[in-house]
Amino acid sequence: QVQLQQSGPGLVKPSQTLSLTCAISGDSVSSNSAAWNWIRQSPSRGLEWLGRTYYRSKWYNNYAVFVKSRITMNPDTSKNQFSLQLNSVTPEDTALYYCARVGPTGAIDYWGQGTLVTVSS
Amino acid sequence: QSELTQPPSASGTPGQRVTISCSGSSSNIGRNTVNWFQQLPGTAPKLLIHTNDQRPSGVPDRFSGSKSGTSASLAISGLQSEDEADYYCAAWDDRLIGWVFGGGTKLTVL
Repeated sequence: QVQLQQSGPGLVKPSQTLSLTCAISGDSVSSNSAAWNWIRQSPSRGLEWLGRTYYRSKWYNNYAVFVKSRITMNPDTSKNQFSLQLNSVTPEDTALYYCARVGPTGAIDYWGQGTLVTVSS
Repeated sequence: QSELTQPPSASGTPGQRVTISCSGSSSNIGRNTVNWFQQLPGTAPKLLIHTNDQRPSGVPDRFSGSKSGTSASLAISGLQSEDEADYYCAAWDDRLIGWVFGGGTKLTVL
């Protein structure tokens, strides 16, 4: 059974960097049949996919166009986890952030518990 | 505005059958498979249907999915009070190179 455990601060000041980590159990961040995603949810914008990192003989990242200039996702094979960094945040980045796996079926099949991140001074 | 279009609300009485639609485009539903998720208050979305019409282990067969062209539907038969939740569709978009979601449908069991 795959489990994703998120950690990171729930409050970030405007213009600073949002950082979250997703620890994986029951699978490997280096799996050749999975992709590791960050998705956020807010009342005003609904569910938004932010990006993914995955390994297919080498590491690949894809980021959503609307955050591409501000986002970095990194795998950490030593800890079997992956991270999200979102720079220059504004109050519009306030949302519930989820990590999630896309598994062998091609579906988003496992989600983390969610982290409410508020951007406020 | 979401890339996939769902009705904001749906309702039914216990035992009834309800359907929720999801409309997309040639770059997402038209080319790729559709997932459906159920989200109960205060919880993460849960995968209900993948690959258009496949149920993960543990999902009751009261839930079924279908796809035609650039649209998809989720059907719930034998409606139960515990089905009251928000439902979302999602698909990979080849033009945007990312996942796109519907705006969600709030299902009320009357």
